[in-house]
Amino acid sequence: AQKVTQAQTEISVVEKEDVTLDCVYETRDTTYYLFWYKQPPSGELVFLIRRNSFDEQNEISGRYSWNFQKSTSSFNFTITASQVVDSAVYFCALTSGGSNYKLTFGKGTLLTVNP
Amino acid sequence: DGGITQSPKYLFRKEGQNVTLSCEQNLNHDAMYWYRQDPGQGLRLIYYSQIVNDFQKGDIAEGYSVSREKKESFPLTVTSAQKNPTAFYLCASSPTGAPNEKLFFGSGTQLSVL
Repeated sequence: AQKVTQAQTEISVVEKEDVTLDCVYETRDTTYYLFWYKQPPSGELVFLIRRNSFDEQNEISGRYSWNFQKSTSSFNFTITASQVVDSAVYFCALTSGGSNYKLTFGKGTLLTVNP
Repeated sequence: DGGITQSPKYLFRKEGQNVTLSCEQNLNHDAMYWYRQDPGQGLRLIYYSQIVNDFQKGDIAEGYSVSREKKESFPLTVTSAQKNPTAFYLCASSPTGAPNEKLFFGSGTQLSVL
């Protein structure tokens, strides 16, 4: 069985602060894929990043960065110099390389960036 | 613009009534999905389809039904057997349904019970 845990239910920061959203996953498969999605108030989820289990290289995209560590089964997401537009619910998700497609989502972290 | 269109944005259901949520995509994707989102919860898979005329139950299919008669359409019916239908429903698609593909989402339908 797969499981994704996002222990932080809500985070509130002031604009320009850095913030890290935690994601811990469980899977028995050796091949798997991790995702982050953003859900702004409009409701539509937007894809941010995908990582496969064989690629532990960290990634940076502008103010966003991701730290994938297989040793701790974590895939954390950091926003540097947060902005009000970053306010949203962020979901971490996991799927394995099995024959059936099943994406398991964490419960999400509500990030509020205050001006 | 290519994307996924869900309608209506808000829907109200009376006791004992079946209601149908629409999902249309013009991305030419083979795979389509329905998720249910409850406040403070992650998304849970209701049904998915990887090809026309074929669909599979997800984790919480009871009380729901779907059809996939056309590639671009994947309507979800919430039947009267679903006793707690109030939730936000999201439709999604991906090119083939492979596990490494990102999903494209619609803007959702909020279903409430009168």
